[in-house]
Amino acid sequence: KNQVEQSPQSLIILEGKNCTLQCNYTVSPFSNLRWYKQDTGRGPVSLTIMTFSENTKSNGRYTATLDADTKQSSLHITASQLSDSASYICVVSEIPTSGTYKYIFGTGTRLKVLA
Amino acid sequence: NAGVTQTPKFQVLKTGQSMTLQCAQDMNHNSMYWYRQDPGMGLRLIYYSASEGTTDKGEVPNGYNVSRLNKREFSLRLESAAPSQTSVYFCASSGDRVYGGYTFGSGTRLTVV
Repeated sequence: KNQVEQSPQSLIILEGKNCTLQCNYTVSPFSNLRWYKQDTGRGPVSLTIMTFSENTKSNGRYTATLDADTKQSSLHITASQLSDSASYICVVSEIPTSGTYKYIFGTGTRLKVLA
Repeated sequence: NAGVTQTPKFQVLKTGQSMTLQCAQDMNHNSMYWYRQDPGMGLRLIYYSASEGTTDKGEVPNGYNVSRLNKREFSLRLESAAPSQTSVYFCASSGDRVYGGYTFGSGTRLTVV
C-alpha cells in the first residue's frame, strides 16, 4: 500500500532557530512531491513542488530536498518565525495506471515556534 | 480575492439529519475535490470531479453524494449524518491534474451529535 510517513509528529523550537521536517514515502510510480503549510483553522497552502528529477526547491526560508532513490524528502526552515507555527503536510502524487492522478497525504508535522 | 469559498464554516447536526456543504471557485479550474481531515490522519479524498459534468468516488465516499453544478461549484451532501462523519471538510480545486497544486478552501467543521 502506498504510504507517506512524516516525522516528527510535533516539534517545538525557539524563534530564530532552524529545523528540519522529514517525509518518507513508498509511493510508486512517483510523479511529484509537495509540501503544504496548514495554519490552524485554515486550508493547506502549497509551499514547494518537486518532480522526480529535482533535488531541491526553495521558497523563501523554506527549502525542500528530495532523494527519489531512497524515497525521502525533507523540509528545512531557516531562522524560524512565530508565523511558522503550523502543520506541515507532505503530499506525494502517484502516476496512475488508469484514471486520474492520486495524491497521498501524510499526517503532518505540527510545528510550534516559541518567542 | 481569487480562491475557493466554502460554506458554512461551522455546523452541528443531529444524527440522521441531512445537509449540503457548498463550494465555489473563481479560478476557472477544471478539477474540484472534497476531502475530510481527522485527527492523526492525512486528508482523505471523498469525491472528486475531474471536469464539469463528471464525478468520481475517492477513498471514503460512503455516506456522501456530490454534485458538480457547473464549472465553479461542487457541493457535498450528507443524506443521513452519522457521528462518524464528524470531521473538518475541505474543498479544493486544481487547474493542472498532474503538477498543479490544490487551492484549498478554509474548511467546514462539522459535528454530528
